[in-house]
Amino acid sequence: AQSVSQHNHHVILSEAASLELGCNYSYGGTVNLFWYVQYPGQHLQLLLKYFSGDPLVKGIKGFEAEFIKSKFSFNLRKPSVQWSDTAEYFCAVTLYGGSQGNLIFGKGTKLSVKP
Amino acid sequence: KAGVTQTPRYLIKTRGQQVTLSCSPISGHRSVSWYQQTPGQGLQFLFEYFSETQRNKGNFPGRFSGRQFSNSRSEMNVSTLELGDSALYLCASKTSGQETQYFGPGTRLLVL
Repeated sequence: AQSVSQHNHHVILSEAASLELGCNYSYGGTVNLFWYVQYPGQHLQLLLKYFSGDPLVKGIKGFEAEFIKSKFSFNLRKPSVQWSDTAEYFCAVTLYGGSQGNLIFGKGTKLSVKP
Repeated sequence: KAGVTQTPRYLIKTRGQQVTLSCSPISGHRSVSWYQQTPGQGLQFLFEYFSETQRNKGNFPGRFSGRQFSNSRSEMNVSTLELGDSALYLCASKTSGQETQYFGPGTRLLVL
């Protein structure tokens, strides 16, 4: 079965540190890739997405992600985190042309940024 | 444009009862999907409705059901509630032919 793995359960950083959250998926076909963020007490929001084209995609709030097809990875990065980035981050995929597009989520990575 | 709305936001039920949750998608979105979020299992897909038809279903027991109305609003029902059904239930909508789903705030269900 298709699955998404997020390597870190909880990441703690100080403000201004760089961030990289890992995401790998298991599916041999074409996928659409997403990162969602869930701030404390708020609903899931789309951070960025990749469907095709340039494998380096930029999202909101200074986040970016790189799709590396050979590694089945879609890691999320931010050069300098802020306290307001404290949230839970979810990587997700949909299978292109597959099962009508339901999202398959990773277990999430909780990011805590110390001021 | 208004976002996805879900009602109620919080619910407390006891084992054996049933519950109905409601979701209103973004205007113009005809696809509605439901997800269950728990600390242990994370976010899991329940089902998707499009034009009043269930188009896709996740791996949940038959106690979980849903429907969609002609105005694209959707409801999900859980019968014979179990303690393990305590979760945040999220609804997401998208337009036909698009892949991006937009989520509502969720309904937090507590089963005692």
